[in-house]
Amino acid sequence: DVKVTQSSRYLVKRTGEKVFLECVQDMDHENMFWYRQDPGLGLRLIYFSYDVKMKEKGDIPEGYSVSREKKERFSLILESASTNQTSMYLCASSFLKWVQPQHFGDGTRLSIL
Amino acid sequence: GENVEQHPSTLSVQEGDSAVIKCTYSDSASNYFPWYKQELGKRPQLIIDIRSNVGEKKDQRIAVTLNKTAKHFSLHITETQPEDSAVYFCAAPQATTSGTYKYIFGTGTRLKVLA
Repeated sequence: DVKVTQSSRYLVKRTGEKVFLECVQDMDHENMFWYRQDPGLGLRLIYFSYDVKMKEKGDIPEGYSVSREKKERFSLILESASTNQTSMYLCASSFLKWVQPQHFGDGTRLSIL
Repeated sequence: GENVEQHPSTLSVQEGDSAVIKCTYSDSASNYFPWYKQELGKRPQLIIDIRSNVGEKKDQRIAVTLNKTAKHFSLHITETQPEDSAVYFCAAPQATTSGTYKYIFGTGTRLKVLA
């Protein structure tokens, strides 16, 4: 069974901090995604990566960056956290680079104070 | 860019009745059109998808239809049960310049099945 593991379930950080959210998948999937989920807005794509060291912007990349040094790991970085980045962050993966997210992690609920 | 509209935002049905959720999209990308189910406090789960060259797909009590001309696709759940209560999301593909696809989600439908 595919497993997508996010490093933290809950995280509290302060405004201005640099925040790292980690995601690891164990099935050699090509594609990895970062979404944020807010009530009434659904899931919005921040960044995705279809190969090691490759990344592509989603719809709301401002204030975020990503890193994919190894195929199984995809990190989301909040360069200087702000209160409007308080949200649920979901990582996902898919086997092939042209298919939809197939497996999601449990999510990280991030609060920026 | 891709715009995905999902309706209704909430839906209550009696147990045993059918539920239908509809999404419209704007991009012309040809690829998969997936549906996800998210139970309270849990991760979204892919429940069914349909390829753009197929008009209908069925999996037990769940079916999805796709009308490419009208740019809409629908999720149909028959003989609903209380465990079908969840938030359902559709997603539509948008082609990127790198030759891959990004998936844009609808805003979700909260389905409540009343016993």
